[in-house]
Amino acid sequence: DAGVIQSPRHEVTEMGQEVTLRCKPISGHNSLFWYRQTMMRGLELLIYFNNNVPIDDSGMPEDRFSAKMPNASFSTLKIQPSEPRDSAVYFCASRRSYNEKLFFGSGTQLSVL
Amino acid sequence: GDSVTQMEGPVTLSEEAFLTINCTYTATGYPSLFWYVQYPGEGLQLLLKATKADDKGSNKGFEATYRKETTSFHLEKGSVQVSDSAVYFCALSDLNTGNQFYFGTGTSLTVIP
Repeated sequence: DAGVIQSPRHEVTEMGQEVTLRCKPISGHNSLFWYRQTMMRGLELLIYFNNNVPIDDSGMPEDRFSAKMPNASFSTLKIQPSEPRDSAVYFCASRRSYNEKLFFGSGTQLSVL
Repeated sequence: GDSVTQMEGPVTLSEEAFLTINCTYTATGYPSLFWYVQYPGEGLQLLLKATKADDKGSNKGFEATYRKETTSFHLEKGSVQVSDSAVYFCALSDLNTGNQFYFGTGTSLTVIP
């Protein structure tokens, strides 16, 4: 099992550019989560999906952020336009059912200059 | 709503010292409880879990007991090693809140030789 796969591993971009982060969850998992981690705010849940449907997006900071899950094996988190305060590590995680553990990807380190 | 509160860090211990990281939770139902560990530059990994009251989760010398009466899930290890240096997150998952996964703010542990 390859685990949760995120790409890119690192992204450096300029303010105002569009950024797309990608995630492939573990096969057979029906829940997918996007988290953002910063020193100031710790680990924040942005959005999560059950069976490809967004269940709770209340953590999405603002309209610049959007997430999609077109099928069970792929999800994207898009920031348009990006700002320096979006710089953080973004993690994707998946799990099979509610009382089972989350499996995390290695994260995408985003730097917006 | 549901939430997790854990001891603030950073914590610095000498090798072979006893470790306790406190975690308390608030939940509307009967959550499953987890401890995750994050090593530098990596994603979060499950350390241990407990799914019902009085369960004890254990792994790699770490233990935590699900205490419903005190709504706690404190992490303990009898003798820490330098390799235990990491950030530790307490978390809960509660079916009553739509399979959400709540994390504490994380506690940074540094073990010095």
